[in-house]
Amino acid sequence: QVQLQESGPGLVRPSQTLSLTCAVSGDSISSGGYSWSWIRQPPGKGLEWIGYFFNSGTTYYNPSLWGRVTMSADTSKNQFSLKVSSVTAADTAVYYCARGDFYLDGPFPLDVWGKGTTVIVSS
Amino acid sequence: DIVMTQSPDSLAVSLGERATINCRSSQSILYSSTNKNYLAWFQQKPGQPPKLLIYWASTRESGVPDRFSGSGSGTDFTLTISSLQAEDVAVYYCQQYYNTPRTFGPGTKVHIK
Repeated sequence: QVQLQESGPGLVRPSQTLSLTCAVSGDSISSGGYSWSWIRQPPGKGLEWIGYFFNSGTTYYNPSLWGRVTMSADTSKNQFSLKVSSVTAADTAVYYCARGDFYLDGPFPLDVWGKGTTVIVSS
Repeated sequence: DIVMTQSPDSLAVSLGERATINCRSSQSILYSSTNKNYLAWFQQKPGQPPKLLIYWASTRESGVPDRFSGSGSGTDFTLTISSLQAEDVAVYYCQQYYNTPRTFGPGTKVHIK
């Protein structure tokens, strides 16, 4: 059974960098064939897709985040990370990691999600 | 970007009755070479992450009750709950994975009449 678990600071100061990690169990981020994704949900609002990465190094980030996003992986720990720089209150949200967007060479749905972690941007 | 819209915003249905949610994409999400619609439906209950219900517009995810079904092609899609149960109270989102950036519909809130 594949499980994902987000972790990171719950409070980030404005203009600082938000850093989150997603630990994966039950699948390998380096050899399973899937891409790994981040999605966020501001309080009381809908879902916003942030981007995905493949362990091969291929990444795609939502242009709406204006180049503030970086995704990476630590294969030795079977986990992947998200960084969002220059945060503002608008980045306050529940952040989810998920498996999917691509599987092998083709698009694929987000089929396994973490429980989410709340990040508040405030001074 | 592909814009996803949903209707209605909110839906009140009696227990045991049918619930129908519509989703429309701003361009076709049917990929001709695979003849698949790159459309997923998610269910989100309060305080929980979204759960994949339907993908390829009409394929039910493993473990999802068969009262949930998806239909449609091209730009117009429907999620149907054939007989609403109390545990189906949730917000339902459609999402296209045809191209990037992936985009979600704004959600439809389903509650009991």
